[in-house]
Amino acid sequence: RKEVEQDPGPFNVPEGATVAFNCTYSNSASQSFFWYRQDCRKEPKLLMSVYSSGNEDGRFTAQLNRASQYISLLIRDSKLSDSATYLCVATGRGINKFYFGSGTKLNVKP
Amino acid sequence: EPEVTQTPSHQVTQMGQEVILRCVPISNHLYFYWYRQILGQKVEFLVSFYNNEISEKSEIFDDQFSVERPDGSNFTLKIRSTKLEDSAMYFCASKAPLYNEQFFGPGTRLTVL
Repeated sequence: RKEVEQDPGPFNVPEGATVAFNCTYSNSASQSFFWYRQDCRKEPKLLMSVYSSGNEDGRFTAQLNRASQYISLLIRDSKLSDSATYLCVATGRGINKFYFGSGTKLNVKP
Repeated sequence: EPEVTQTPSHQVTQMGQEVILRCVPISNHLYFYWYRQILGQKVEFLVSFYNNEISEKSEIFDDQFSVERPDGSNFTLKIRSTKLEDSAMYFCASKAPLYNEQFFGPGTRLTVL
């Protein structure tokens, strides 16, 4: 069973649209959760950590549901520059091991 | 803004050769990691390192792999006898104490011929 599962997409949306990505994780002992974005052939870049109370950073909102082992990312007012692959990440039992999902590809079109 | 650096950006080697991939983590970070990403696949954890020893490693990190922090700044990944299937992008990451977020270097693309 995969540690972290994501819909691979692609999600093709027009500029200005709101788009949501979901992710599930299998290890109930996972402690920390993150969203990273990855541009083609580049390194993952931290987008935001995900907290139980939910958190927002500008146009981005992340939610965590521990009971359902589910993480979400909402992007409002999509920009062309948001086009990338979004990686859902959960730690193992400790914080020394990151499990990455396969990523969800977003294409924002003019 | 401080960042993780990696050298070389691209390494081409013959099967069976040894390679050493180098990383300079962010200066006040104490936790170091190596990941790999085969083209078109997900990022996979290899190993974590803290206080001069391995904290955790994955099943991928077999006896062909080793890590070292030879001085106060570098963190290296050695592959003793490369195989074709070792061809991938290798990312180094580092983390500060008391924080959970890891920051990634730009990667080394390893091509084994």
